[in-house]
Amino acid sequence: KAGVTQTPRYLIKTRGQQVTLSCSPISGHRSVSWYQQTPGQGLQFLFEYFSETQRNKGNFPGRFSGRQFSNSRSEMNVSTLELGDSALYLCASSLGTDLREQFFGPGTRLTVL
Amino acid sequence: GIQVEQSPPDLILQEGANSTLRCNFSDSVNNLQWFHQNPWGQLINLFYIPSGTKQNGRLSATTVATERYSLLYISSSQTTDSGVYFCAVGYTGANSKLTFGKGITLSVRP
Repeated sequence: KAGVTQTPRYLIKTRGQQVTLSCSPISGHRSVSWYQQTPGQGLQFLFEYFSETQRNKGNFPGRFSGRQFSNSRSEMNVSTLELGDSALYLCASSLGTDLREQFFGPGTRLTVL
Repeated sequence: GIQVEQSPPDLILQEGANSTLRCNFSDSVNNLQWFHQNPWGQLINLFYIPSGTKQNGRLSATTVATERYSLLYISSSQTTDSGVYFCAVGYTGANSKLTFGKGITLSVRP
């Protein structure tokens, strides 16, 4: 069974631009969660989607948004990029809701210049 | 929100040694997971263990939910065990979010 995949793996953007990251969960998994990892703040929960609905959202500004498609694939969008958005963005999938037994993708490393 | 403290922050071992990693949390939770992040950034799920004890090869974990801590045991460590170990806790249900600790950096020397 294929694992969680994320594209692209690396991305360089400039301040003010927007970016879209993609995540494909493990086949059969319906929950997709997104996390931001930085050296200063560590791993922080962004949001979770289940059956195309956002179930929970972390403490991030509205510039961070996401969506989930009917095939469970998910995208995350960050608008008006700031230098502080430079981070490793991780996607995780799980079979059901409640963030149990999460399986992570390799991440997208975003650099904002 | 929930506070998660992991100790020790850093650990250096010789290959073959055993170790115990600790995770303390500030509230009653019903979701607790241990992850290993390898040097390439990949997070690997080790255990989903909101209570009780589980074992998987050289690794085992115990969570005492009533006392708000969890322990991860690594026996006969290998260089491939190096990386950062994270504990993540949370609730299931409508407010399901995972809060991660800062991690424990383990270096296993040959």
